[in-house]
Amino acid sequence: EAGVAQSPRYKIIEKRQSVAFWCNPISGHATLYWYQQILGQGPKLLIQFQNNGVVDDSQLPKDRFSAERLKGVDSTLKIQPAKLEDSAVYLCASSLDGLAALQETQYFGPGTRLLVL
Amino acid sequence: TQLLEQSPQFLSIQEGENLTVYCNSSSVFSSLQWYRQEPGEGPVLLVTVVTGGEVKKLKRLTFQFGDARKDSSLHITAAQPGDTGLYLCAGAREGGKLIFGQGTELSVKP
Repeated sequence: EAGVAQSPRYKIIEKRQSVAFWCNPISGHATLYWYQQILGQGPKLLIQFQNNGVVDDSQLPKDRFSAERLKGVDSTLKIQPAKLEDSAVYLCASSLDGLAALQETQYFGPGTRLLVL
Repeated sequence: TQLLEQSPQFLSIQEGENLTVYCNSSSVFSSLQWYRQEPGEGPVLLVTVVTGGEVKKLKRLTFQFGDARKDSSLHITAAQPGDTGLYLCAGAREGGKLIFGQGTELSVKP
């Protein structure tokens, strides 16, 4: 079974530039999550989608971050403009139906490592 | 505000030693999960504990959920170099939301 795919794996940009990350979840998974993991910290949820609707984006810095999952499958996360403190690993995860089961497993992709100079 | 505190943050031990990692919170969680993350990869789920006082074993790893469902521990017996990695605990909230601890970086030297 194919896992969660993310691209690119690495990205280096200068501050104030824009960047976009792509995620393809496991086939059939209704719930998709984007996390930010700063070096030395655990992942922090940015946004959660259920199919193509947003369930939780309370921790998403909406002045510069945006995310979409138009057809309820793939998702993109964009940062515009990037700041130095956005340097982190951006992880995408998916689960079968996150809203329905508290014990459900989230499957993580390998992440995109972003360095903002 | 860090809802889940893990300790220690860093641990470097010799192969064959035992170790325990702690995950503490002032909040009650419906379940608690433990993940391991290797460099360049995403976290991989090791176990989910749901019932207060629950103990689960996974080969040399023993996981325990506190009676009040606020804390958990991970004990590794006879650690091996392959156990090296970042261990993360995560508390589950309604709607599938996970709150992660800051992680424990484990290094097991041969």
